[in-house]
Amino acid sequence: TQLLEQSPQFLSIQEGENLTVYCNSSSVFSSLQWYRQEPGEGPVLLVTVVTGGEVKKLKRLTFQFGDARKDSSLHITAAQPGDTGLYLCAGGKGNYGQNFVFGPGTRLSVLP
Amino acid sequence: NAGVMQNPRHLVRRRGQEARLRCSPMKGHSHVYWYRQLPEEGLKFMVYLQKENIIDESGMPKERFSAEFPKEGPSILRIQQVVRGDSAAYFCASSQGSGNQPQHFGDGTRLSIL
Repeated sequence: TQLLEQSPQFLSIQEGENLTVYCNSSSVFSSLQWYRQEPGEGPVLLVTVVTGGEVKKLKRLTFQFGDARKDSSLHITAAQPGDTGLYLCAGGKGNYGQNFVFGPGTRLSVLP
Repeated sequence: NAGVMQNPRHLVRRRGQEARLRCSPMKGHSHVYWYRQLPEEGLKFMVYLQKENIIDESGMPKERFSAEFPKEGPSILRIQQVVRGDSAAYFCASSQGSGNQPQHFGDGTRLSIL
């Protein structure tokens, strides 16, 4: 059962464009993390959001957690080739929020 | 990702052999998680351990797979009698505590079964 869905699955854009990727679920999560993974490496944590409606900014990246804590979005402004990678969202479940469920990821390619 | 150390980075085994994957968590982290990632897929949770205890192994196959996190030393993911379908990247993550604490990942062990 895929608890987390991410869209789009693939995205190829030109440098300088803006983009939004989505992470959706029918389940409520106690927290949600966004990671970026590059080939041959482990995922690198970008942000954790825990409060419904929460918005966090990380330079050109804006993360939002849905009011009902079932979905999240990641918006990138003026994308750069260095933003290329696999973007994964992960929702915290389990009695202590320790069991993270990962989405399948959005593979972003930013062309120079 | 330098904080969480996994070794080996690449491991090749023949069918029927045993594979041992090691993970040293970040300093100060006592919670360890193992995930498996197939090509072009996301990460699948396998097991969550604290020192000397398995807390959640709901994602672990019932046979051939085991994990431990001893009082001293790294966490070990052990796969006995490997089969071709075990070929994957295995990632370890650690956190300072439970309860939505962020997980920090190692660079994984790529297991190939001949």
